[in-house]
Amino acid sequence: QVHLGQSGAEVRRPGASVKVSCTASGYNFTGYFIHWVRQAPGQGLEWMGWINPNSGGTNYAQKFQGRVTMTGDTSISTAYLELSRLKSDDTAVYYCARPTDPGYYRNAFNMWGLGTMVTVSS
Amino acid sequence: DIVMTQSPDSLAVSLGERATINCKSSQSLLYNSNNKNYLAWYQQRPGQPPKVLIYWASARESGVPDRFSGSGSGTDFTLTISSLQAEDVAVYYCQQYYSTPFTFGPGTKVEIK
Repeated sequence: QVHLGQSGAEVRRPGASVKVSCTASGYNFTGYFIHWVRQAPGQGLEWMGWINPNSGGTNYAQKFQGRVTMTGDTSISTAYLELSRLKSDDTAVYYCARPTDPGYYRNAFNMWGLGTMVTVSS
Repeated sequence: DIVMTQSPDSLAVSLGERATINCKSSQSLLYNSNNKNYLAWYQQRPGQPPKVLIYWASARESGVPDRFSGSGSGTDFTLTISSLQAEDVAVYYCQQYYSTPFTFGPGTKVEIK
């Protein structure tokens, strides 16, 4: 069964970093891009960027440039999102999502992880 | 960045009635080389991740009931629920995947009247 499993909730102080994982199962991990989308409490959806697990190539939203790093470990079919210099408004649920078609990032997302809640509070 | 807007912000519809949600993009989402509109619709129920309903503006995802339909081209798009069911209570988002950063509309909350 095709599935994206995400790591558990995290609490961090302002200024710290957090690393969230997304483990793929049931399909060829290197065949599909992984996108990251976040959602602050009661708010809408915000796209953060993508990683191509096959090449390691990335594309980040300008808003997060310099603070975000997306990586992948093909040996365990896992993608990672690391966000540094956390602020209170980074408090959100962070989702990984997979596009509908392999090898192409410009597709709708038809598979989502359940999300990882990251709370930034002093 | 492409800005996505949606209307209305919320709507209340009686069971069995039609619900219509509009989405507008700040630039065309139609890619001329393949004649596809890079626009998707998602449904998000409370406490759940989004679920894709429609992609390429009008293609229904496998398993999605046929009461959901998408239409439009260029910069103006519509999601229609032909006969609202109780399980359709949710927030609906449009998203463009024409160019990065991919952007979402602010969402439309659908409730039962």
